[in-house]
Amino acid sequence: AQSVTQPDIHITVSEGASLELRCNYSYGATPYLFWYVQSPGQGLQLLLKYFSGDTLVQGIKGFEAEFKRSQSSFNLRKPSVHWSDAAEYFCAVGSSSGGYQKVTFGTGTKLQVIP
Amino acid sequence: NAGVTQTPKFQVLKTGQSMTLQCAQDMNHNSMYWYRQDPGMGLRLIYYSASEGTTDKGEVPNGYNVSRLNKREFSLRLESAAPSQTSVYFCASRTTGAPYGYGYTFGSGTRLTVV
Repeated sequence: AQSVTQPDIHITVSEGASLELRCNYSYGATPYLFWYVQSPGQGLQLLLKYFSGDTLVQGIKGFEAEFKRSQSSFNLRKPSVHWSDAAEYFCAVGSSSGGYQKVTFGTGTKLQVIP
Repeated sequence: NAGVTQTPKFQVLKTGQSMTLQCAQDMNHNSMYWYRQDPGMGLRLIYYSASEGTTDKGEVPNGYNVSRLNKREFSLRLESAAPSQTSVYFCASRTTGAPYGYGYTFGSGTRLTVV
């Protein structure tokens, strides 16, 4: 069975500092990987996804993520954080079996941005 | 605005009461999903509908039923609510033109409290 681990429950960074959110996955085949962001009281919004090809993927809002097969990781990065980035971030892995209907979400990392 | 609409946004039920959560999407997506979100547990799949006329159980289906009324609408029913079903419920949809397409589009959620 597939699984996702986000080891950091809560992270605090200063505005303008760089950010890296960690994500490790477990899946036997080539995974479909996603990062979503959830602002308070809102649904989840897709930041970026990795299906194949270039292991560094660019997303919206200046985010990027790097797929590292050897480390089973898909970490999210941003070079300079803005106060509006404060939100909860979810990593997810999708299975290629079962008609591409099985997406497993991590437990989330809550980002706090301080001035 | 195109997207996923959930109603109601908030609901308080007494133990044993029933209710239906409504979800509609106007993006002509084939697949629709119901997730619940609980603190520290991420999102867990309750039921999904890969296409109109089909529904399947997800990770936590007990105590719930679903109906895919047509291509646009996918409802979730709690027949006899229990305090353990206190949660935030999200509906999501996606196109099936390619594996996972452009990811999921989420509604803004229904916050349900069972007392």
